[in-house]
Amino acid sequence: KAGVTQTPRYLIKTRGQQVTLSCSPISGHRSVSWYQQTPGQGLQFLFEYFSETQRNKGNFPGRFSGRQFSNSRSEMNVSTLELGDSALYLCASSLELAGDVDEQFFGPGTRLTVL
Amino acid sequence: GESVGLHLPTLSVQEGDNSIINCAYSNSASDYFIWYKQESGKGPQFIIDIRSNMDKRQGQRVTVLLNKTVKHLSLQIAATQPGDSAVYFCAESNGGSQGNLIFGKGTKLSVKP
Repeated sequence: KAGVTQTPRYLIKTRGQQVTLSCSPISGHRSVSWYQQTPGQGLQFLFEYFSETQRNKGNFPGRFSGRQFSNSRSEMNVSTLELGDSALYLCASSLELAGDVDEQFFGPGTRLTVL
Repeated sequence: GESVGLHLPTLSVQEGDNSIINCAYSNSASDYFIWYKQESGKGPQFIIDIRSNMDKRQGQRVTVLLNKTVKHLSLQIAATQPGDSAVYFCAESNGGSQGNLIFGKGTKLSVKP
């Protein structure tokens, strides 16, 4: 079974631009979460989607948004990029068959560099 | 590696020794805890989890201990191998926020051959 895939793996943008990152969860997984990882702040939760609805949201500005499609694939968007948005963006999926907390499987991440 | 913090606590052990990595969690309402391993250039990889109704759980070469009284979690790795070298993160979650994991800062484990 294929793991979580994220595209692109690497991305370079300039300040003020916007970016869209994509995540394909493991087949059958219904929950997709996004995290930002930086050396200074570590791994921080961005948001989580379940059945095309945002279920949880972390403490990030409105420039960060996301969505989930009917096939559970998810995208996140960052508008008006700032230098501080440079980070590894990780996507994780989980099955949640019984609605209980479930193991999250992470993708390899997208390395975003903002110049 | 690209995902490692500049000033992560580091644990250096000899190959074959046992390793103990500690973590203090923040929310007394958290009821699900996970340990992840992250190698350079990769996403976090699940190692073992434990729910708050347990205080110990064992896997293959790994044991997680949970002390809810002092909000402390530990990961024990038996017979540490060079392939165990990575950054280890603990994460916590509560039932009301199923997809929202709160991660610790991480500990870098370095195994000397």
